[in-house]
Amino acid sequence: GESVGLHLPTLSVQEGDNSIINCAYSNSASDYFIWYKQESGKGPQFIIDIRSNMDKRQGQRVTVLLNKTVKHLSLQIAATQPGDSAVYFCAEIPNSGNTPLVFGKGTRLSVIA
Amino acid sequence: GAVVSQHPSWVICKSGTSVKIECRSLDFQATTMFWYRQFPKQSLMLMATSNEGSKATYEQGVEKDKFLINHASLTLSTLTVTSAHPEDSSFYICSASRGWGNQPQHFGDGTRLSIL
Repeated sequence: GESVGLHLPTLSVQEGDNSIINCAYSNSASDYFIWYKQESGKGPQFIIDIRSNMDKRQGQRVTVLLNKTVKHLSLQIAATQPGDSAVYFCAEIPNSGNTPLVFGKGTRLSVIA
Repeated sequence: GAVVSQHPSWVICKSGTSVKIECRSLDFQATTMFWYRQFPKQSLMLMATSNEGSKATYEQGVEKDKFLINHASLTLSTLTVTSAHPEDSSFYICSASRGWGNQPQHFGDGTRLSIL
């Protein structure tokens, strides 16, 4: 989603439902992407990554989809749980190598029990 | 593995005080560490990239004399906020990467800095 002013977009889902969080990245040359989860008062926690030579990667309850044509990344969380409530950031590395991540604006996921 | 420890987790101090924040990679060697700043309800903003044994690279608009970074070893980087003022109050987060190539960055739990 896109941020409006200083407010993070929020996604509310029912416990047990699947969640889809979207991210548009900026640099067509980016070849490595990561999803992070940030809980209140904590640092970002690595969830899953994907390289540009792939369009899908699955982890435990999470799937990342990459569409390079439209520069779009999504994170799917299956059977969403209350513990999944957090802010989710996508991040890209613009060039190969140990270069800084470029973070997206973030989406707040709220799970309704 | 890939644990990054940040200390202290919360600092409250008077205006004019200098504050040092430590970032340690506990179970791996970090060639590069990154320092971020995060305001409430916003994304992380990169402040500087710290390479072991060399001077840090600062992002545009970040004062290097204000935010002193030292990366003396492969497991420790420090950020010192010199003569801190209320506008420096923020959440400061470090991250560390194992090495060159596309590697995920692992983050510390952040330091909340409150300047009175």
